[in-house]
Amino acid sequence: AQTVTQSQPEMSVQEAETVTLSCTYDTSENNYYLFWYKQPPSRQMILVIRQEAYKQQNATENRFSVNFQKAAKSFSLKISDSQLGDTAMYFCASNFGNEKLTFGTGTRLTIIP
Amino acid sequence: KAGVTQTPRYLIKTRGQQVTLSCSPISGHRSVSWYQQTPGQGLQFLFEYFSETQRNKGNFPGRFSGRQFSNSRSEMNVSTLELGDSALYLCASSLGDRVTNEKLFFGSGTQLSVL
Repeated sequence: AQTVTQSQPEMSVQEAETVTLSCTYDTSENNYYLFWYKQPPSRQMILVIRQEAYKQQNATENRFSVNFQKAAKSFSLKISDSQLGDTAMYFCASNFGNEKLTFGTGTRLTIIP
Repeated sequence: KAGVTQTPRYLIKTRGQQVTLSCSPISGHRSVSWYQQTPGQGLQFLFEYFSETQRNKGNFPGRFSGRQFSNSRSEMNVSTLELGDSALYLCASSLGDRVTNEKLFFGSGTQLSVL
């Protein structure tokens, strides 16, 4: 079965600190994409960052970066210099080589002023 | 450029009724996907349309159906509503035929409550 697992239901961190959200997945596919989405209270899902599985270099988008370990099937998200606007639900997802996304259960992140 | 628009934002129905939700993708986007989000099951894929054709379908009963029009706007319909259909229904659009390899743009969803 192709699954995405987020083992941290909730996390909190002080403003300006760094936080890492964990994600593991299971698939027998070799070519796929991995994503982190943010869902603020407005409910709109916003793409934070994406990683192509065949690329070894970790993706980076400003304060957001990933640690992609393909052999371990791990895809963690690091948020540096966290801001109040980063407070949201964060979902890890993958397409597993097909045309639909499989999501994890999410991590509720709270940034404390 | 307008984002993905979903209407209505909120909907209240009773068991046994049917409902139609609408999604207008970003101009130029030809692919529209639908997802159901519930506290218990999380986010689950419903179906995906590209150029008026359903290309992929998730594991939902036949009560859930959809369609896409020539202008790429999409509707999903749920017939004979059940309490368990209460959920946030999210629509997402993208440019072309490799939908999840591109950036998906999501709408703000329609919150459906079934009483």
